[in-house]
Amino acid sequence: AQKVTQAQTEISVVEKEDVTLDCVYETRDTTYYLFWYKQPPSGELVFLIRRNSFDEQNEISGRYSWNFQKSTSSFNFTITASQVVDSAVYFCALSEESGANNLFFGTGTRLTVIP
Amino acid sequence: EPEVTQTPSHQVTQMGQEVILRCVPISNHLYFYWYRQILGQKVEFLVSFYNNEISEKSEIFDDQFSVERPDGSNFTLKIRSTKLEDSAMYFCASSVYGRDKNIQYFGAGTRLSVL
Repeated sequence: AQKVTQAQTEISVVEKEDVTLDCVYETRDTTYYLFWYKQPPSGELVFLIRRNSFDEQNEISGRYSWNFQKSTSSFNFTITASQVVDSAVYFCALSEESGANNLFFGTGTRLTVIP
Repeated sequence: EPEVTQTPSHQVTQMGQEVILRCVPISNHLYFYWYRQILGQKVEFLVSFYNNEISEKSEIFDDQFSVERPDGSNFTLKIRSTKLEDSAMYFCASSVYGRDKNIQYFGAGTRLSVL
């Protein structure tokens, strides 16, 4: 069965600090996809990134970077030089190739960036 | 930038009443989804819809739920006889056909309050 674990329920950092959000997943599929979504206080879910199980290259997009390690079943998300606008709930999610595209979400990590 | 729109943003109803939540997916998308998020909890998959039929549904999506694409633009979720535990944020999402079919773009959600 599939599962996504985000052990950090809440994190607070001071502006300009770096912060890493952890995500650990479980799946029996050999082909799967991992995602991060951001849910700001306004409530919508904003797509940030998708990685497939065959691509372990780390990715950087501006202040955001993602570290995918199959050996530890982790897909961690780092925000460098955090800003107040980064304050949100961040969800990690999994989609299996054998499924019908539906996403399995973790419980989310609430990030608060203090000015 | 194209977006998924959901109406209403907040729906208040009495227990036992029927509600219809409406969504307009992104125009060239072919896969449609409903998810729900009970306050403070993770986002849970309800149903996916493709080619005018349900592709997959979760255990939550029981006989009181139904989905419909009544015309070329709207995608609706009907709850026949609402219960208190149906109170949640309901998200609609859509995705394209093809290799990016599992990148789902979400609307801002409809908050359903059942009294």
